[in-house]
Amino acid sequence: DQQVKQNSPSLSVQEGRISILNCDYTNSMFDYFLWYKKYPAEGPTFLISISSIKDKNEDGRFTVFLNKSAKHLSLHIVPSQPGDSAVYFCAASLRYAIEGSQGNLIFGKGTKLSVKP
Amino acid sequence: KAGVTQTPRYLIKTRGQQVTLSCSPISGHRSVSWYQQTPGQGLQFLFEYFSETQRNKGNFPGRFSGRQFSNSRSEMNVSTLELGDSALYLCASSRAGVSSGNTIYFGEGSWLTVV
Repeated sequence: DQQVKQNSPSLSVQEGRISILNCDYTNSMFDYFLWYKKYPAEGPTFLISISSIKDKNEDGRFTVFLNKSAKHLSLHIVPSQPGDSAVYFCAASLRYAIEGSQGNLIFGKGTKLSVKP
Repeated sequence: KAGVTQTPRYLIKTRGQQVTLSCSPISGHRSVSWYQQTPGQGLQFLFEYFSETQRNKGNFPGRFSGRQFSNSRSEMNVSTLELGDSALYLCASSRAGVSSGNTIYFGEGSWLTVV
């Protein structure tokens, strides 16, 4: 049973346009969400995170939106650049973990973004 | 400062053998987590160590084990290898773990192929 779902395995966008990557989760206890980017043959790199007390976090070209009622978050990249082409993973965590559990990251299966020049 | 270092980067093993992978976290980081990445399942959490103690574990069989040393370096071991264990194994480190809200940093991974 997947707790974090990225329903689009791939996305193709023209350079300069907006890329929107979506992520859904099922566990309402998740309260901390992260996005990672992964290039082939490299480990994932942290991009941006958001706490459940916020609905938006922005860092340069990257903005993450959180809709808790819909259990949905999205990553917006504006403007998209060819160097953004990578696999993007959404992850969720229990930041303030239940006693006895220190929590861990639950990842989606990733969305491969291709930005065409 | 140096990043998370994993060794070996690539290895091939035969079914039934065992393998040990090593991870050196970023200096000052006490939490080390291990993940398995496969095309079909994405990134899946294996276990987390903090101050030499395993404090969380994912849904993997007992063939997967790990440990952490006093210098925070960690090893994971897979015994009685199966073909399905072929994957990229990623190590991640942070100061105190994800539950503390710390950013975690990944190594480049160890590619294991079981034949």
